[in-house]
Amino acid sequence: DQQVKQNSPSLSVQEGRISILNCDYTNSMFDYFLWYKKYPAEGPTFLISISSIKDKNEDGRFTVFLNKSAKHLSLHIVPSQPGDSAVYFCAARPSGGSYIPTFGRGTSLIVHP
Amino acid sequence: EAQVTQNPRYLITVTGKKLTVTCSQNMNHEYMSWYRQDPGLGLRQIYYSMNVEVTDKGDVPEGYKVSRKEKRNFPLILESPSPNQTSLYFCASSWDLGETQYFGPGTRLLVL
Repeated sequence: DQQVKQNSPSLSVQEGRISILNCDYTNSMFDYFLWYKKYPAEGPTFLISISSIKDKNEDGRFTVFLNKSAKHLSLHIVPSQPGDSAVYFCAARPSGGSYIPTFGRGTSLIVHP
Repeated sequence: EAQVTQNPRYLITVTGKKLTVTCSQNMNHEYMSWYRQDPGLGLRQIYYSMNVEVTDKGDVPEGYKVSRKEKRNFPLILESPSPNQTSLYFCASSWDLGETQYFGPGTRLLVL
């Protein structure tokens, strides 16, 4: 049973436009959420995170929004650039226990020039 | 340069032939873990370690072993590899369990 779902396996966007990547979770114990970016032949790298006490976190062109009632978060990239083309993983961890993060299956973003 | 290294990067082996994938980090991180990435399944945690001599199972530990004899190293051992262990493997480390993880470049394993 997937606790972190990224329902869009892929997303194609024109350069300069907004990219919106979505993530849904089912475990109400999750209270910290992260986005990782992965290029081919490389390991994932941390991009941005958000705690459940906030509903928005911004870092340059990247903004993550959290809707706790809907158990939904989204990553906005504005403006999108060809170098943003990568696989994006959403991850979540609980507030207690072992803090093992659970990853979604990833969304492949392609930004066309 | 702060990094997580894995060796080998690519490996082709046959069923039943024991193999070890090494992982080393130079950031003095307490927490290390192993993941496998399969098409359509994302990243799934195999094992993790909270410190030297402290390891625990992740979501998909069957067929794998790990050891943490030194803080910087966390090898992944496949005692008797099978074709269903063909995958892309990532090692990761962080200061603590809940902190941002730094991933290695990955090891692509093919078991024939």
